[in-house]
Amino acid sequence: GIQVEQSPPDLILQEGANSTLRCNFSDSVNNLQWFHQNPWGQLINLFYIPSGTKQNGRLSATTVATERYSLLYISSSQTTDSGVYFCAVDNFGNEKLTFGTGTRLTIIP
Amino acid sequence: EPEVTQTPSHQVTQMGQEVILRCVPISNHLYFYWYRQILGQKVEFLVSFYNNEISEKSEIFDDQFSVERPDGSNFTLKIRSTKLEDSAMYFCASRWREGGTEAFFGQGTRLTVV
Repeated sequence: GIQVEQSPPDLILQEGANSTLRCNFSDSVNNLQWFHQNPWGQLINLFYIPSGTKQNGRLSATTVATERYSLLYISSSQTTDSGVYFCAVDNFGNEKLTFGTGTRLTIIP
Repeated sequence: EPEVTQTPSHQVTQMGQEVILRCVPISNHLYFYWYRQILGQKVEFLVSFYNNEISEKSEIFDDQFSVERPDGSNFTLKIRSTKLEDSAMYFCASRWREGGTEAFFGQGTRLTVV
């Protein structure tokens, strides 16, 4: 099946800093989503982005499908951005999402 | 905005007991899923469901698990005889068609088996 790797596994930043999270995948994808898992365990849908670039406030994401990676940018980090960020993909003929192992982001005041 | 809702948010059960986790997918969606996340690990696929039958299941989804869409709105996951290792966060998801469309996730049910 498709492999999904995320880097870095852990990231600790001061409040106000910017961050870039990366998601690499091993095959062509039909769908790519970014999620934020908050401290209560809920998965918050950030972006549906199988290709191209999207922005939502301080967050933006870019997927370069031909090179099999996606990037999530967080600018001017706030403590509420802390948590685990997952990317998840599915590929053609395979409808289930395969999740990466996540990046744990900790924002220090 | 339409959303997937799950109940309960947290359930504690004795080992060996049966549990039913409930989900209400988005109303015009046709494909339904359960995923599981053991504490500290990544989210894993359990089962997909379409047209009133299982379309795919993982090796985790053994005979202790079953899914059902008993009416036009609910989608349930049943664990017949819970084990300690079933303790996890369970997520329901739905999408209006298969692959290539956004999957919407519920807020999860935290199952604790004691």
